[in-house]
Amino acid sequence: DGGITQSPKYLFRKEGQNVTLSCEQNLNHDAMYWYRQDPGQGLRLIYYSQIVNDFQKGDIAEGYSVSREKKESFPLTVTSAQKNPTAFYLCASAQGTNTEAFFGQGTRLTVV
Amino acid sequence: GNSVTQMEGPVTLSEEAFLTINCTYTATGYPSLFWYVQYPGEGLQLLLKATKADDKGSNKGFEATYRKETTSFHLEKGSVQVSDSAVYFCALSVNQAGTALIFGKGTTLSVSS
Repeated sequence: DGGITQSPKYLFRKEGQNVTLSCEQNLNHDAMYWYRQDPGQGLRLIYYSQIVNDFQKGDIAEGYSVSREKKESFPLTVTSAQKNPTAFYLCASAQGTNTEAFFGQGTRLTVV
Repeated sequence: GNSVTQMEGPVTLSEEAFLTINCTYTATGYPSLFWYVQYPGEGLQLLLKATKADDKGSNKGFEATYRKETTSFHLEKGSVQVSDSAVYFCALSVNQAGTALIFGKGTTLSVSS
């Protein structure tokens, strides 16, 4: 089955630690995205990548980092610089601009 | 800039009631428009889409028409079911390199039997 896989589904992090969220797609899509979802705020764009080895900051990139070494993978690292990381993180991919995006099931990150 | 505005929720309806969720947009050029649905604890699923003016997207009894003159893409369903309870997001994309989907803040729908 083609799709996007995010792992893990739930993640707990201690304050001061970095943590990496995985996102893998087998749809052969060029573009991949990371969004953060908080109650009442909709989806906010963290980072996106239109092509391998290239990525751009979204609206709320501070405290996050990404890499795009392979077309199918776009991991997100939440660093200790992110002041309020507890949220639901969604990864998506799309064939290009002006097309629909397909989403993974999300990772819920909680800082303990 | 590009943006999406959708009605605030929550929307609470009885089963078989008529549903409308308003969505308006601001965009340069000719965007594509989408409605996504999110069930609790899950990712977003594409519900329907329209890529040009006067197109009507439809799926599972839901419909939305791309109205360029009013820059709107309102979601409608004639008879809602309890299983339609979810969060609905309106979104747009533009045909411009280096851009991503832009979402509204979402509208929570709760349907009771």
